[in-house]
Amino acid sequence: QSALTQPASVSGSPGQSITISCTGTSSDVGGYKYVSWYRQDPGKAPKLMIFDVSNRPSGVSDRFSGSKSGNTASLTISGLQAEDEADYYCSSYRSGSTWVFGGGTKLTVV
Amino acid sequence: EVQLVESGGGLVQPGGSLRLSCAASGFTFSTSNMNWVRQAPGQGLEWVSYMTSTNSKIYYADSVKGRFTISRDNAKNSLYLQMNSLRAEDTAVYYCAREGLSGHFGADYWGQGTLVTVSS
Repeated sequence: QSALTQPASVSGSPGQSITISCTGTSSDVGGYKYVSWYRQDPGKAPKLMIFDVSNRPSGVSDRFSGSKSGNTASLTISGLQAEDEADYYCSSYRSGSTWVFGGGTKLTVV
Repeated sequence: EVQLVESGGGLVQPGGSLRLSCAASGFTFSTSNMNWVRQAPGQGLEWVSYMTSTNSKIYYADSVKGRFTISRDNAKNSLYLQMNSLRAEDTAVYYCAREGLSGHFGADYWGQGTLVTVSS
């Protein structure tokens, strides 16, 4: 049982937009601005896509955006492309000095 | 270019010990806070431990507290994870990950990981 709740899978067609949700509590997602999103390809290390809820690191496409409302954070990918297919994980700082993750969402581009 | 290279993984029997290393390059390791994160086969990511640049703050997940010890050698640009009393459920790929500039654990760079298998 992961600390943060994500849908197990999401799918979309090329060109569409999809949103992946990440639900926590007021002790993590809802209480801090320190939500990050990671992409992970099979057998590879996670790659940072969004930090501090809505900031993109240099080099990450502006098709990726993040937001938060209450205890739920969201990752939106617009203009979906085949190469976006991967697993996506959310994470958040949690009070008491811990770092928690969601269970991951498998994105399929159909 | 930031690089993190883990080593030291392998097969170990339940109750045994293993020491993981993470060699850092391409950035100022001595001023960077670091994490260990693991991923069991086919499962999600799980934070394991965190250490500040000066060793002033160290934190562990409840699942490893009392069994694992994080340490670092800034002169060697290296991070370590000493794992004792290993259990089958510790089987995972272990990643070292650098905390990003905004702090609060969130990592901006990850190594490729090293596989630890606990089995008899």
